[in-house]
Amino acid sequence: GQNIDQPTEMTATEGAIVQINCTYQTSGFNGLFWYQQHAGEAPTFLSYNVLDGLEEKGRFSSFLSRSKGYSYLLLKELQMKDSASYLCAVMFSGGYNKLIFGAGTRLAVHP
Amino acid sequence: EAQVTQNPRYLITVTGKKLTVTCSQNMNHEYMSWYRQDPGLGLRQIYYSMNVEVTDKGDVPEGYKVSRKEKRNFPLILESPSPNQTSLYFCASSSPPGPTDTQYFGPGTRLTVL
Repeated sequence: GQNIDQPTEMTATEGAIVQINCTYQTSGFNGLFWYQQHAGEAPTFLSYNVLDGLEEKGRFSSFLSRSKGYSYLLLKELQMKDSASYLCAVMFSGGYNKLIFGAGTRLAVHP
Repeated sequence: EAQVTQNPRYLITVTGKKLTVTCSQNMNHEYMSWYRQDPGLGLRQIYYSMNVEVTDKGDVPEGYKVSRKEKRNFPLILESPSPNQTSLYFCASSSPPGPTDTQYFGPGTRLTVL
């Protein structure tokens, strides 16, 4: 099967920058998503990468290297409300595109 | 307001008692799917549907059924629930078919099977 690996937990300080990494198997890759999920709530879309490089969207940026099977989500100027789980999800092709989620990275932002 | 709704939001039931979790979207999306979320495992796809009357198994379909008689509705059916189906369930929809567009998730249904 396709494994999506990301760290289980991270902590950071308010106002700082944090980078959450995600690695995946490259075979059949067809795009990568990042979602934010607050405890007990539904995931919400943050970013989508299908080509190599950096996609910037306000305080959040997402990077992709297809040859390395690697992505990261960069959060700048951290705020307390950024405390949440961040889910990396990879779309694979194979008859019909399927979205495989990593287990998520729980980020705690402290003062 | 564009949204995906699920009902019920919380359900406690007993082993073997058939139940249905409803999912409805008002965005005219063709693609809909069901996920379960368990600690340490992330979201796992149960079933998905590309359009009316077109459904297919995801990664963990055992013990579940779905139907897609109308575009807006995609109910999840547990014919004989068991304790290992205790989980948090999410319905999602997107357009066009295939998740190249962002998926919108429902608020979740927390199911406990005793």
